[in-house]
Amino acid sequence: AQTVTQSQPEMSVQEAETVTLSCTYDTSESDYYLFWYKQPPSRQMILVIRQEAYKQQNATENRFSVNFQKAAKSFSLKISDSQLGDAAMYFCAYRSRNNAGNMLTFGGGTRLMVKP
Amino acid sequence: DVKVTQSSRYLVKRTGEKVFLECVQDMDHENMFWYRQDPGLGLRLIYFSYDVKMKEKGDIPEGYSVSREKKERFSLILESASTNQTSMYLCASSFLDRVIAEAFFGQGTRLTVV
Repeated sequence: AQTVTQSQPEMSVQEAETVTLSCTYDTSESDYYLFWYKQPPSRQMILVIRQEAYKQQNATENRFSVNFQKAAKSFSLKISDSQLGDAAMYFCAYRSRNNAGNMLTFGGGTRLMVKP
Repeated sequence: DVKVTQSSRYLVKRTGEKVFLECVQDMDHENMFWYRQDPGLGLRLIYFSYDVKMKEKGDIPEGYSVSREKKERFSLILESASTNQTSMYLCASSFLDRVIAEAFFGQGTRLTVV
């Protein structure tokens, strides 16, 4: 079974600065997807960014980018120019490409606080 | 916009009650999921379904059952609620067998069992 670990329960960042959230995972598969989801206080989970394991290029979405290290099984999220609206719980998630049920396996989450 | 709607945002039930949590999605997704969210544990999969009347156990199915009579609706049932089922419950849905199939989530139901 796959496991996902987020080692930072809480992080804080000054507004306009950059922060990196860590995620590691354990799998014996070679083909899979990785995701970062954001959960603001409203509780609505929102997809931030996705990465396909077969792609070597790191995914980027505006101020959000990932550092995907397949051999190390590491998938960190970098938030540049942090904004107050970035304050939320962030969850790293794994999905097997062979998994027809498409279920996601989640890490324990990192609470990000943004200081004005 | 994809919409996944959970019937209640907050629910308070007594120990031993039968509890129904309802979830409806409007995007014709084949897959539907029920997760439980607890601090420090992230989201854990309770049950999922990839078709009407089909269901599969997730990581923590004990004490729960599900029902999927229509494609758009997926219900989570607590047959006899207990205090250790006090938690946040999240419903999600996604397409089956797409190249990229991220899940879309409802707003969550915070259930308190007293």
